[in-house]
Amino acid sequence: DTGVSQDPRHKITKRGQNVTFRCDPISEHNRLYWYRQTLGQGPEFLTYFQNEAQLEKSRLLSDRFSAERPKGSFSTLEIQRTEQGDSAMYLCASSLALGLGMNTEAFFGQGTRLTVV
Amino acid sequence: GDSVTQMEGPVTLSEEAFLTINCTYTATGYPSLFWYVQYPGEGLQLLLKATKADDKGSNKGFEATYRKETTSFHLEKGSVQVSDSAVYFCALTVRGNFNKFYFGSGTKLNVKP
Repeated sequence: DTGVSQDPRHKITKRGQNVTFRCDPISEHNRLYWYRQTLGQGPEFLTYFQNEAQLEKSRLLSDRFSAERPKGSFSTLEIQRTEQGDSAMYLCASSLALGLGMNTEAFFGQGTRLTVV
Repeated sequence: GDSVTQMEGPVTLSEEAFLTINCTYTATGYPSLFWYVQYPGEGLQLLLKATKADDKGSNKGFEATYRKETTSFHLEKGSVQVSDSAVYFCALTVRGNFNKFYFGSGTKLNVKP
């Protein structure tokens, strides 16, 4: 399967602990996105990368959140000092940026469900 | 700004009924429009898309037409099946806006046998 893969699928952590999630995009895709989804809501944009450059961060992304995409391949999303409000599904997606500002559709991974207790 | 509004659910239908899920959008530029579907515990799967006005996206019996004059992209299916039960998200991305994807809040569809 050559889709977007995320690891782990589920994470339960105690409040105050740090967690890190990994996303492996479709190999030829140069854009990678992180979204957060809470129950009953649509995905909310967190941040995205074009190759290894992080081009935009949402105001939703507090200083406790950091994302990296070394070498423009896989990406990690780290949450420090987790809070109960961080409990959500974290979705990764990738797409291929074409010329003239065009973009293919986003392909999503299955998500990492975080529960902070 | 750029946003999507879709009808609230849940929508409950009997098998073989006709489905419409409304979606309207606002966009600062020229959008591409998408419908994604999410099954329980899963990520989002692209269902269909349309990249310019009057285009019709279709897949698995679902259709949606990009209506620029009404800024709408309503999802329809002539005869739903129990297996169509899922949450459906309307989304857009605007050309040149670094192509972030904006999602509606989702519409849950329940199809009963």
